[in-house]
Amino acid sequence: DIVMTQTPLSSPVTLGQPASISCRSSQSLELRDGATYLSWLQQRPGQRPRLLIYMISNRFTGVPDRFSGSGAGTDFTLKISRVEAEDVGVYYCMQSTQFPYTFGQGTKLEIK
Amino acid sequence: EVQLLESGGGLVQPGGSLRLSCAASGFTFSTFAMSWVRQAPGRGLEWVSGMSGSGRNTYYADSVKGRFTISRDNSKNTLYLQMNSLRADDTALYYCAKDLRQLVPAFFDYWGQGTQVTVSS
Repeated sequence: DIVMTQTPLSSPVTLGQPASISCRSSQSLELRDGATYLSWLQQRPGQRPRLLIYMISNRFTGVPDRFSGSGAGTDFTLKISRVEAEDVGVYYCMQSTQFPYTFGQGTKLEIK
Repeated sequence: EVQLLESGGGLVQPGGSLRLSCAASGFTFSTFAMSWVRQAPGRGLEWVSGMSGSGRNTYYADSVKGRFTISRDNSKNTLYLQMNSLRADDTALYYCAKDLRQLVPAFFDYWGQGTQVTVSS
C-alpha cells in the first residue's frame, strides 16, 4: 500500500498569516499518462470532510483562492495564503493513484 | 443541490451483519462513481470501497475484502454497503461519497453526514 505521511501533525497559526502542510507518498503518484491523483480534504470540527484540491492543484468548486496545492512525484504541499478562523480543522491528503486509496494521518490547523 | 443521506448504522455484535444505504439526490446518480469512507472515533479517514457509475467495477480495501460488498441501484439512486462478519475494528462513522468521475472513483467531491456503526458485545 502507498503510505502517505503528513507534516506537521499540528500547526498553530496566527490569523492572517500563511500556513503550509506537506504530504509525502511512499512511491510516486504519477501515472504513465502524467496524471497524478493527489487530493486535499478539509474536515472542520464536527463536520463531514470537504474536497479542497484535486489532481495536485485544482481547486474544487467554491474553494477560496487562498488555498493552493503544488508538488509532483512524491512530495506535495497545501498552502493557505492567509489563514482565517473558518480554516480551523484537520487537513488530509489522499492518494487515488493506486488501490487501496490511502490518506495521510491528518494535520490539525489551530489558531494561536 | 447534491445531497447524500446515509442510514442503516447501529450497534451489532461481533460476527454480525449490517447493510448501509446512501440515498442520493441533486445529480444524475448513474453517471458518477461512488465510495464508502470510514472514520474510527478520534481517528483519521480510511477508504473502504468504491464502485463505478454503472456498477460493473468494484474496489475494496484489503481490511474489508471478502466481508463487505458494495452495490448500487441506479433506479433508486441508492448506494449500499453490505457488511458481514463484523469486527470491533470496523467500529466507525461510515461516510458515503460522490466522485468527480464516472468510471474509477478518485476524487470525493460530496460527502454525506455519515452513519455510525458500533461493533461490540
